[in-house]
Amino acid sequence: DTGVSQDPRHKITKRGQNVTFRCDPISEHNRLYWYRQTLGQGPEFLTYFQNEAQLEKSRLLSDRFSAERPKGSFSTLEIQRTEQGDSAMYLCASSLKQGANVYEQYFGPGTRLTVT
Amino acid sequence: LAKTTQPISMDSYEGQEVNITCSHNNIATNDYITWYQQFPSQGPRFIIQGYKTKVTNEVASLFIPADRKSSTLSLPRVSLSDTAVYYCLVVPTDSWGKLQFGAGTQVVVTP
Repeated sequence: DTGVSQDPRHKITKRGQNVTFRCDPISEHNRLYWYRQTLGQGPEFLTYFQNEAQLEKSRLLSDRFSAERPKGSFSTLEIQRTEQGDSAMYLCASSLKQGANVYEQYFGPGTRLTVT
Repeated sequence: LAKTTQPISMDSYEGQEVNITCSHNNIATNDYITWYQQFPSQGPRFIIQGYKTKVTNEVASLFIPADRKSSTLSLPRVSLSDTAVYYCLVVPTDSWGKLQFGAGTQVVVTP
């Protein structure tokens, strides 16, 4: 257990439905990251936050994907109008940034999404 | 994107040293190198991180030559529990939009 939790761990949904995933980072970490991982591939960076500010979102896969971190603590990742190609593991990670130093990312267990 | 190249797989026996080399030819001045380990159905776990020369911790060593275009993760005396996928990651501290994991190296340790 890294201290990063994700909920739910598994989600099965029908094509066209919206889904939302939650990530609770390590409490003192100011950075939070979202990744997607498909079978046999490395994690694919999607977006990240520093506190409540979303500093990079150009890598979100489409406008159906959005993320929030409203109070700089937990974060949500929403996928609207899901497609079968969205089936994957969605990983959240957190880290601490102090000054110019960015420390290692701690990953959660992931949410496995299956779109039928 | 900060692209990396690693071997797809490596096999080893228990007790041997495993060295995985990662190529990152387009590494930028402010980038640093991080290695992660991942078991099936789990998130990646941080192993080691470095900028240049050699870094050692309780589980691994990281060797980075002067030109920084490659790095080598060294796992001493592996055990069966070290069977996992290992990822080399170039971390672009000034532009996280360039962050990219490769496909990783599947290490299989047998008795």
